Parts: sequence; C-alpha cells; structure tokens
Amino acid sequence: NAGVTQTPKFQVLKTGQSMTLQCAQDMNHNSMYWYRQDPGMGLRLIYYSASEGTTDKGEVPNGYNVSRLNKREFSLRLESAAPSQTSVYFCASSAQGNQPQHFGDGTRLSIL
Amino acid sequence: QQQVKQSPQSLIVQKGGISIINCAYENTAFDYFPWYQQFPGKGPALLIAIRPDVSEKKEGRFTISFNKSAKQFSLHIMDSQPGDSATYFCAASRGSGTYKYIFGTGTRLKVLA
Repeated sequence: NAGVTQTPKFQVLKTGQSMTLQCAQDMNHNSMYWYRQDPGMGLRLIYYSASEGTTDKGEVPNGYNVSRLNKREFSLRLESAAPSQTSVYFCASSAQGNQPQHFGDGTRLSIL
Repeated sequence: QQQVKQSPQSLIVQKGGISIINCAYENTAFDYFPWYQQFPGKGPALLIAIRPDVSEKKEGRFTISFNKSAKQFSLHIMDSQPGDSATYFCAASRGSGTYKYIFGTGTRLKVLA
C-alpha cells in the first residue's frame, strides 16, 4: 500500500522557470492538500481540495496553482519560480475534512 | 487566534526518561488536536490525536494530556528511546468539515543512548 506518492523527490530550478509537482494517493480519500515546510515555521497550507472538482486557497497560496486531476491526483504548479519558494513541499490526503491527514515523503525544491 | 504555539523548540532526553512537548492555542473552536512525528527525509506521520471531550489519551508510550480551560495540550513520551529521536508537530483544527490544520512550529527531540 503506497499511500501518498510524490514526484519528483528532488528538483533544482532557476528563477523564472515553471514546474509541476505531482501527488497521487491510493487510499480512496476525498480530500487532498499541499503544504510547504520551512525551518522554524512548521507546515503551512498552500491549497487544498475538499473533493474532486473543488480547490481552495490555504494560508500561503500566492505564486502557486493547483489542479485536482481526478480523485487520486492533485498537482501543484509554480508558474514562475522565485528563490522564496525554496522549500520542502508535502502532499497529504484525508478521508474527509476533519479527519487524519496522511502525508507523502515530500519534494525538496531549490530555486537558484 | 489561529496560531498554535509549540515549545520547546528542541529537547534532549536521556534514554528511559520522559519527553514532554507542549502546545497552546487561542481559538476555542478548535476541536481536533493531532500530533505528528517526522523523521529526517520523511513526511509527517500521525502519532496520536485527541478531541476535547477527554482530558487524556494514551497509546503505548505516548500520551496526550488536554487542558481545555487553559487551552493547552501536551505530548508525553514515556521511557523515551533513541528511536523516538525525530521532530514532533502538534496541530489543531476546528469543526466538522474543516480542511485546515494549523501546525505548531515543531520540536526536535533527541534521545541519548
């Protein structure tokens, strides 16, 4: 049982480049989330999808877009990467809104 | 009002000792309080969670204590082991149907052998 799978695991971009981070879950969960993790700041919600076909902004959505491709997949896109977006990005899923969230192992993104 | 304040930032405990991590919140609408454990290079994993209708929940060596009047909750790790060395995050969320966890800033625990 893979749980939540994120690709790629590592990526280095130059300022201004675009990139899509992929996330897939095999737990038949309705809700999916994207977080970023920065030292000393915990995890901050970027966007979430309560159910297939819906997306909403979280705490730090600026500079990002998301797509809920189907029930399994939720992607995060950086249209024009900036050094401030250097971070570790985590995808998570949960059965419903206020239920335990299950995390992937993250994508480590560096923007030069 | 949306913040969850976590302390200490780091903690060193001898093997066999008790590790205690504290979190405080202000929003009385929060009604679900999970703790996550994260090892280097891995994603956070749910460790234990509590709702405010109980004051304590125990799972093995891990216990959450919840003080509703003080708006505080804490994680106790009994008989701490080197394998418990990880970063621990508390979180809070409110209301059924909500989708937003508010995470604390994390505590890096090191258990000395």
